[in-house]
Amino acid sequence: DAGITQSPRHKVTETGTPVTLRCHQTENHRYMYWYRQDPGHGLRLIHYSYGVKDTDKGEVSDGYSVSRSKTEDFLLTLESATSSQTSVYFCAITGTGGGYGYTFGSGTRLTVV
Amino acid sequence: KNEVEQSPQNLTAQEGEFITINCSYSVGISALHWLQQHPGGGIVSLFMLSSGKKKHGRLIATINIQEKHSSLHITASHPRDSAVYICALERDDKIIFGKGTRLHILP
Repeated sequence: DAGITQSPRHKVTETGTPVTLRCHQTENHRYMYWYRQDPGHGLRLIHYSYGVKDTDKGEVSDGYSVSRSKTEDFLLTLESATSSQTSVYFCAITGTGGGYGYTFGSGTRLTVV
Repeated sequence: KNEVEQSPQNLTAQEGEFITINCSYSVGISALHWLQQHPGGGIVSLFMLSSGKKKHGRLIATINIQEKHSSLHITASHPRDSAVYICALERDDKIIFGKGTRLHILP
Protein backbone atom coordinates (compact mmCIF):
# COMPACT_ATOMS: atom_id res chain seq x y z
CA ASP A 1 0.00 0.00 0.00
CA ALA A 2 1.15 3.50 -0.67
CA GLY A 3 2.81 5.23 2.26
CA ILE A 4 4.08 2.26 4.24
CA THR A 5 6.21 -0.69 3.26
CA GLN A 6 7.60 -3.61 5.23
CA SER A 7 10.63 -5.66 4.39
CA PRO A 8 11.23 -8.48 4.00
CA ARG A 9 7.80 -9.93 3.19
CA HIS A 10 8.89 -13.44 4.10
CA LYS A 11 11.85 -14.75 6.07
CA VAL A 12 12.96 -18.12 7.37
CA THR A 13 15.71 -18.06 9.95
CA GLU A 14 17.35 -20.41 12.41
CA THR A 15 16.92 -20.36 16.16
CA GLY A 16 19.47 -18.15 17.84
CA THR A 17 20.16 -15.88 14.87
CA PRO A 18 19.47 -12.14 14.93
CA VAL A 19 16.73 -10.83 12.65
CA THR A 20 15.77 -7.27 11.75
CA LEU A 21 12.49 -6.27 10.17
CA ARG A 22 12.07 -2.87 8.59
CA CYS A 23 9.06 -0.59 8.38
CA HIS A 24 9.36 2.42 6.10
CA GLN A 25 6.79 5.22 5.73
CA THR A 26 6.53 8.18 3.41
CA GLU A 27 3.66 9.92 5.28
CA ASN A 28 5.81 11.76 7.83
CA HIS A 29 3.56 10.33 10.57
CA ARG A 30 4.74 10.62 14.13
CA TYR A 31 3.51 7.28 15.47
CA MET A 32 4.73 3.88 14.33
CA TYR A 33 3.87 0.49 15.77
CA TRP A 34 4.97 -3.12 15.53
CA TYR A 35 2.40 -5.86 16.09
CA ARG A 36 2.50 -9.60 15.85
CA GLN A 37 -0.49 -11.65 14.78
CA ASP A 38 -0.95 -15.22 15.96
CA PRO A 39 -3.95 -17.57 15.73
CA GLY A 40 -6.18 -17.23 18.78
CA HIS A 41 -4.51 -14.03 19.94
CA GLY A 42 -5.29 -11.46 17.32
CA LEU A 43 -2.90 -8.55 16.96
CA ARG A 44 -0.66 -7.75 19.91
CA LEU A 45 1.53 -4.70 20.35
CA ILE A 46 5.27 -5.35 20.57
CA HIS A 47 6.75 -1.84 20.61
CA TYR A 48 5.75 1.57 19.40
CA SER A 49 7.38 4.90 18.68
CA TYR A 50 6.05 8.41 19.15
CA GLY A 51 8.97 10.17 17.52
CA VAL A 52 12.60 9.86 16.53
CA LYS A 53 14.44 7.99 19.27
CA ASP A 54 11.25 7.88 21.36
CA THR A 55 10.01 4.32 21.81
CA ASP A 56 8.07 2.35 24.37
CA LYS A 57 7.18 -1.24 25.09
CA GLY A 58 3.93 -2.96 24.29
CA GLU A 59 2.34 -6.01 25.85
CA VAL A 60 4.65 -8.62 24.24
CA SER A 61 8.00 -6.83 24.10
CA ASP A 62 10.23 -9.53 25.63
CA GLY A 63 12.84 -10.73 23.14
CA TYR A 64 12.38 -7.73 20.86
CA SER A 65 14.09 -4.37 20.53
CA VAL A 66 13.34 -1.42 18.26
CA SER A 67 15.06 1.63 16.91
CA ARG A 68 13.89 4.77 15.20
CA SER A 69 16.72 7.00 14.06
CA LYS A 70 14.67 8.67 11.32
CA THR A 71 11.00 9.59 11.11
CA GLU A 72 10.46 7.28 8.17
CA ASP A 73 12.06 4.08 9.50
CA PHE A 74 11.13 1.86 12.43
CA LEU A 75 13.22 -1.27 12.87
CA LEU A 76 12.24 -4.34 14.87
CA THR A 77 15.08 -6.63 15.96
CA LEU A 78 14.92 -10.12 17.35
CA GLU A 79 18.30 -10.38 19.04
CA SER A 80 18.25 -14.18 19.18
CA ALA A 81 15.26 -15.62 17.38
CA THR A 82 13.22 -18.38 19.03
CA SER A 83 10.52 -20.63 17.60
CA SER A 84 7.92 -18.79 19.69
CA GLN A 85 8.64 -15.72 17.58
CA THR A 86 7.35 -17.42 14.47
CA SER A 87 4.52 -15.12 13.53
CA VAL A 88 3.23 -12.55 11.09
CA TYR A 89 4.49 -9.08 11.94
CA PHE A 90 2.61 -5.92 11.00
CA CYS A 91 3.76 -2.36 11.13
CA ALA A 92 1.23 0.47 11.45
CA ILE A 93 1.42 4.25 11.33
CA THR A 94 -0.80 7.10 12.38
CA GLY A 95 -0.55 10.85 12.65
CA THR A 96 -0.83 13.05 15.69
CA GLY A 97 -3.95 14.39 17.30
CA GLY A 98 -6.45 11.82 16.24
CA GLY A 99 -8.58 11.69 13.15
CA TYR A 100 -5.91 10.12 10.99
CA GLY A 101 -6.83 6.50 11.27
CA TYR A 102 -4.24 3.81 11.04
CA THR A 103 -2.45 2.49 7.97
CA PHE A 104 -0.97 -1.00 8.07
CA GLY A 105 1.90 -2.51 6.19
CA SER A 106 1.43 -5.71 4.23
CA GLY A 107 3.04 -7.84 6.92
CA THR A 108 6.18 -9.93 7.28
CA ARG A 109 5.81 -13.67 7.69
CA LEU A 110 8.70 -14.85 9.88
CA THR A 111 9.45 -18.52 10.47
CA VAL A 112 12.06 -19.52 13.02
CA VAL A 113 13.23 -23.12 12.58
CA LYS B 1 -10.57 -9.68 31.37
CA ASN B 2 -10.58 -8.67 27.71
CA GLU B 3 -11.09 -5.00 27.12
CA VAL B 4 -12.71 -5.64 23.77
CA GLU B 5 -14.99 -8.50 22.80
CA GLN B 6 -16.33 -9.31 19.37
CA SER B 7 -19.25 -11.50 18.44
CA PRO B 8 -19.76 -13.77 16.75
CA GLN B 9 -16.29 -15.29 16.39
CA ASN B 10 -17.31 -17.02 13.17
CA LEU B 11 -20.19 -16.34 10.83
CA THR B 12 -21.28 -18.12 7.68
CA ALA B 13 -24.09 -16.64 5.61
CA GLN B 14 -25.60 -16.84 2.14
CA GLU B 15 -24.90 -14.23 -0.49
CA GLY B 16 -27.33 -11.35 -0.18
CA GLU B 17 -27.90 -11.64 3.56
CA PHE B 18 -27.64 -8.69 5.93
CA ILE B 19 -24.66 -9.16 8.22
CA THR B 20 -24.09 -7.72 11.69
CA ILE B 21 -20.87 -8.00 13.67
CA ASN B 22 -20.77 -6.68 17.21
CA CYS B 23 -18.03 -5.16 19.34
CA SER B 24 -18.32 -4.43 23.06
CA TYR B 25 -15.66 -2.79 25.15
CA SER B 26 -15.04 -1.90 28.76
CA VAL B 27 -12.61 1.03 28.74
CA GLY B 28 -12.67 4.66 27.78
CA ILE B 29 -11.60 5.26 24.23
CA SER B 30 -10.88 8.16 21.91
CA ALA B 31 -12.04 6.27 18.82
CA LEU B 32 -13.04 2.85 17.57
CA HIS B 33 -11.80 1.31 14.35
CA TRP B 34 -13.18 -1.41 12.13
CA LEU B 35 -10.57 -3.23 10.06
CA GLN B 36 -10.77 -5.89 7.37
CA GLN B 37 -8.26 -8.63 6.68
CA HIS B 38 -8.62 -11.01 3.75
CA PRO B 39 -7.03 -14.47 4.03
CA GLY B 40 -3.28 -14.13 3.70
CA GLY B 41 -3.73 -10.44 3.14
CA GLY B 42 -2.94 -7.17 4.72
CA ILE B 43 -5.13 -5.14 7.04
CA VAL B 44 -7.34 -2.41 5.67
CA SER B 45 -8.98 0.29 7.72
CA LEU B 46 -12.73 0.46 7.02
CA PHE B 47 -13.98 3.01 9.54
CA MET B 48 -12.85 5.18 12.39
CA LEU B 49 -15.67 6.23 14.72
CA SER B 50 -15.92 8.43 17.75
CA SER B 51 -19.69 8.86 17.67
CA GLY B 52 -22.78 8.11 15.64
CA LYS B 53 -22.76 6.30 12.35
CA LYS B 54 -20.72 6.11 9.16
CA LYS B 55 -21.55 4.54 5.80
CA HIS B 56 -19.33 3.52 2.94
CA GLY B 57 -20.94 1.66 0.10
CA ARG B 58 -22.59 -1.47 1.53
CA LEU B 59 -20.86 -1.09 4.88
CA ILE B 60 -22.33 0.75 7.84
CA ALA B 61 -20.69 1.23 11.22
CA THR B 62 -22.36 2.53 14.35
CA ILE B 63 -21.16 3.29 17.83
CA ASN B 64 -22.95 3.92 21.11
CA ILE B 65 -20.46 5.54 23.46
CA GLN B 66 -22.72 5.30 26.52
CA GLU B 67 -23.27 1.58 26.05
CA LYS B 68 -19.67 0.98 24.91
CA HIS B 69 -20.86 -0.92 21.88
CA SER B 70 -20.30 -0.78 18.14
CA SER B 71 -21.72 -2.71 15.22
CA LEU B 72 -20.56 -3.27 11.68
CA HIS B 73 -23.28 -4.05 9.15
CA ILE B 74 -22.91 -5.34 5.63
CA THR B 75 -25.92 -5.07 3.33
CA ALA B 76 -26.41 -7.36 0.32
CA SER B 77 -23.39 -9.45 1.31
CA HIS B 78 -21.18 -10.91 -1.39
CA PRO B 79 -18.56 -13.70 -1.38
CA ARG B 80 -15.84 -11.06 -1.76
CA ASP B 81 -16.86 -9.77 1.69
CA SER B 82 -15.43 -13.00 3.15
CA ALA B 83 -12.69 -11.86 5.49
CA VAL B 84 -11.83 -11.34 9.12
CA TYR B 85 -13.31 -8.16 10.56
CA ILE B 86 -11.47 -6.66 13.50
CA CYS B 87 -12.70 -4.13 16.01
CA ALA B 88 -9.92 -2.01 17.50
CA LEU B 89 -9.99 0.56 20.29
CA GLU B 90 -7.88 3.69 20.17
CA ARG B 91 -6.70 4.59 23.66
CA ASP B 92 -3.69 6.51 24.97
CA ASP B 93 -2.00 6.68 21.54
CA LYS B 94 -2.25 2.92 21.17
CA ILE B 95 -4.80 0.53 19.78
CA ILE B 96 -6.21 -2.57 21.38
CA PHE B 97 -7.46 -5.19 18.96
CA GLY B 98 -10.34 -7.57 19.24
CA LYS B 99 -9.69 -11.13 18.12
CA GLY B 100 -11.75 -10.68 15.00
CA THR B 101 -14.86 -12.16 13.42
CA ARG B 102 -14.30 -14.57 10.57
CA LEU B 103 -17.01 -14.04 7.96
CA HIS B 104 -17.67 -16.49 5.15
CA ILE B 105 -20.26 -15.61 2.53
CA LEU B 106 -21.46 -18.53 0.43
CA PRO B 107 -22.41 -17.97 -3.22
